[in-house]
Amino acid sequence: EVQLVESGGDLVQPGGSLRLSCVGSGFTVSTNTMNWFRQAPGKGLEWVSQISGSGTILIYTESVTGRFAISRDEAKNSLFLEMTNLRVEDTAVYYCSTHGSWGQGTLVTVSS
Amino acid sequence: DIQLTQSPSSLSASVGDRVTITCRASQDIRNDLGWCQQKPGKAPKRLVYAVSSLEGGVPSRFRGSGSGTEFTLTISGLQPEDFATYYCLQYNSFPYTFGQGTKLEIK
Repeated sequence: EVQLVESGGDLVQPGGSLRLSCVGSGFTVSTNTMNWFRQAPGKGLEWVSQISGSGTILIYTESVTGRFAISRDEAKNSLFLEMTNLRVEDTAVYYCSTHGSWGQGTLVTVSS
Repeated sequence: DIQLTQSPSSLSASVGDRVTITCRASQDIRNDLGWCQQKPGKAPKRLVYAVSSLEGGVPSRFRGSGSGTEFTLTISGLQPEDFATYYCLQYNSFPYTFGQGTKLEIK
């Protein structure tokens, strides 16, 4: 059974940085296409970033391009989202997902 | 970006009813469309992918259909656990986009 567990969410000031992690079990993160999604409080769902199964294609939604970086670690069977220069509008629950399975999410709050 | 327009935005129905949610895409997305269910405080759960394929364990009362730019999710014989918010998602082109959601409430 595919399972995903996110962590790393926190309260951070505008302009700050954070690294989210997503540990996978029941499958191999490094050979599967993985996505990050997010959901601002009381709002709908938004796709954030994708890393291809080969790891060679990294794609971002426009609002995070240049500020966020997606990566993975084969040894840890984990996916990461490095977030820099955070903005108030980045406040959301962040979910990792693959092939229709979603983690439980981790909350990122950007506020002064 | 491909826009997905979901309707209705909210829906009130009774246990046992049949309901239909529509998702219209701003351009042809072939069959690259799925449906997710989300309950309050919980992560989304994908119910349908490729327009009409049910995820494992999803009851057969859920049915997805459509093609091109117009898609529907039909739930026949609503059960208490079906009251939730539903989103369509297109993965035909980047950025992936969602409909704005349909909140299904108990009448």
